[in-house]
Amino acid sequence: QKEVEQDPGPLSVPEGAIVSLNCTYSNSAFQYFMWYRQYSRKGPELLMYTYSSGNKEDGRFTAQVDKSSKYISLFIRDSQPSDSATYLCAMSYNQAGTALIFGKGTTLSVSS
Amino acid sequence: EAGVAQSPRYKIIEKRQSVAFWCNPISGHATLYWYQQILGQGPKLLIQFQNNGVVDDSQLPKDRFSAERLKGVDSTLKIQPAKLEDSAVYLCASRGTGGNYEQYFGPGTRLTVT
Repeated sequence: QKEVEQDPGPLSVPEGAIVSLNCTYSNSAFQYFMWYRQYSRKGPELLMYTYSSGNKEDGRFTAQVDKSSKYISLFIRDSQPSDSATYLCAMSYNQAGTALIFGKGTTLSVSS
Repeated sequence: EAGVAQSPRYKIIEKRQSVAFWCNPISGHATLYWYQQILGQGPKLLIQFQNNGVVDDSQLPKDRFSAERLKGVDSTLKIQPAKLEDSAVYLCASRGTGGNYEQYFGPGTRLTVT
């Protein structure tokens, strides 16, 4: 079993839809949870960052972490064509610069 | 603030040849990472530097891959000899000190081994 599992999709939705992206993980030592967005032929860029369990909201984006279920989610409200990208979940054991463990990424396409 | 710079952006080589990638992190960032991203996969850490010292190279195939970060700034990743399975995007990332947890990624170097 891989440490981080993520459905690669692809996921296609119409503009304005609510998108739900998910990852599961096996190692309960993970404490920091991130979502990165990666446009084609670009490097990943940090979208959301959450410590331990709970929710975090930033504009149209909401990140949820459920450590008891080892499950994290990213919700995108009112999706836009500019949201079309690959979304990578990532996790780390601590905040002290430890390398990130990434999921495979989910490719999202939002059509206008 | 300038981002992480990488060169070349694309490279095509034949198997058994050697190749080198260069990374210039964000100014002042002490931590530098090299990740390998195979098509359809998430990035996987190859090596992590703190200033010019190696913190983690447990997943670096040391029989063919090497990396250095002289003077704690720029870094070079080398593959010699390359194999077909080395075809991937090589991403460099850097991170500042203190409470800033974010890793900033460069655009990557896309390597094709034929």
